Parts: sequence; C-alpha cells; structure tokens
Amino acid sequence: GNSVTQMEGPVTLSEEAFLTINCTYTATGYPSLFWYVQYPGEGLQLLLKATKADDKGSNKGFEATYRKETTSFHLEKGSVQVSDSAVYFCALRYNQGGKLIFGQGTELSVKP
Amino acid sequence: DAGITQSPRHKVTETGTPVTLRCHQTENHRYMYWYRQDPGHGLRLIHYSYGVKDTDKGEVSDGYSVSRSKTEDFLLTLESATSSQTSVYFCAITEGTAIGEYNEQFFGPGTRLTVL
Repeated sequence: GNSVTQMEGPVTLSEEAFLTINCTYTATGYPSLFWYVQYPGEGLQLLLKATKADDKGSNKGFEATYRKETTSFHLEKGSVQVSDSAVYFCALRYNQGGKLIFGQGTELSVKP
Repeated sequence: DAGITQSPRHKVTETGTPVTLRCHQTENHRYMYWYRQDPGHGLRLIHYSYGVKDTDKGEVSDGYSVSRSKTEDFLLTLESATSSQTSVYFCAITEGTAIGEYNEQFFGPGTRLTVL
C-alpha cells in the first residue's frame, strides 16, 4: 500500500546550521508530495509541494525535490532559525478523494 | 486558514458517552476530511466527504461516524467514546468545488479530546 516514512526525531540544531529531514515514500502511480509544518499549539500549514518527478518545491528558504528514482522528497534548508522550531510532516496525495497519507512527523528544535 | 473552524476546541468526556465534533467551512469546498493526530503516527484519516451526503471511510474509521447534510458542515461522532480515542482531531478541506479537483489542502485549528 501507500506509505510515507520520515527520519526519527527530535532533531536539534544550532541556529544557522544546515537542515535535512529525510522522507521516502511507497506508492503506486505518481502521487503529489507535500511538506507541512506544525508550530506548537497550532494546526498544520502547507510548507511546499511537488506534483511530478524532478519538480522542486520551495518556500521560506526550504526546498525539496521529488525524486522518483529514489522515491524520496527530502526537506532542506541552508540556514535554520530559532523560529523554524516545529514539527515537520511529509505527505503524499493520490488522486482518489484528495486524501493525504502522512509520515509520523519530525520534531525540529533550533537553539540560539 | 481557508475559513475553517472547529468546535469545541477542547473537550473532556467519560468512557461510553457520545461525542460530536463539528467542522465548519465558509468557502463552499467539496472535499472535507477528519484526521486524528497521535504521537508516532502523524495524522491518520478517519473519514472524508466528497459532497453533501457523500462520505467514505479512511484508514482508522472504526468507532467513528460522520455526516454532511450541508456543504459547510462536516460532523464527526464518536458513538461511545473510549480512552483509545483520546487524540487531537483535525478537520481539513481541499480547495475546489468540482469532482476530481484537488488543490491545496488546508487544516483547521484542531480539537483536543480527552476520554477518561
């Protein structure tokens, strides 16, 4: 079946460090891929997306590239800030009702 | 937030009681969803709706029912709450009004439910 696997957290980084959060997926067909972010006490917000192979999604300095050959959609940021501390969720959507399948989430903590 | 509200935002109830959570949207979107969020599991789909009176099950639907009698409201009911249903419940909508039109998915603020 379809599934998403993310790297275990929590991830703790110093401010201005480079961030990578790994995400791999299993799916039939060609799903769309998403990263959502959840700040403490809030709902989920869409961070970026990619709808086909080799697409790069980007937003707020975060990037992720849809790699069909490795079935991956890793999230990266060149220089993290304290305000990036949150839980990050990778998700896929296959076109049956627009439903999302989420990874388990990765908590990021950025220290000054 | 795409005009999504959830009520109540917090609820504490006892095992065996019925509970109804409400999701309300203001923008006439066709698709609505209920997810639950639990540590180590991310978000898992409970039920979704693709139109008025049109609903279908998600991966964790046991013990839950839904209804959608109006475009703007999607209700989630726990017929007889159990402690395993203690969770944070999120409603979501996918932008779009036509069947098969899947644009961005937006989430409500969540309802924290505790079943004692």
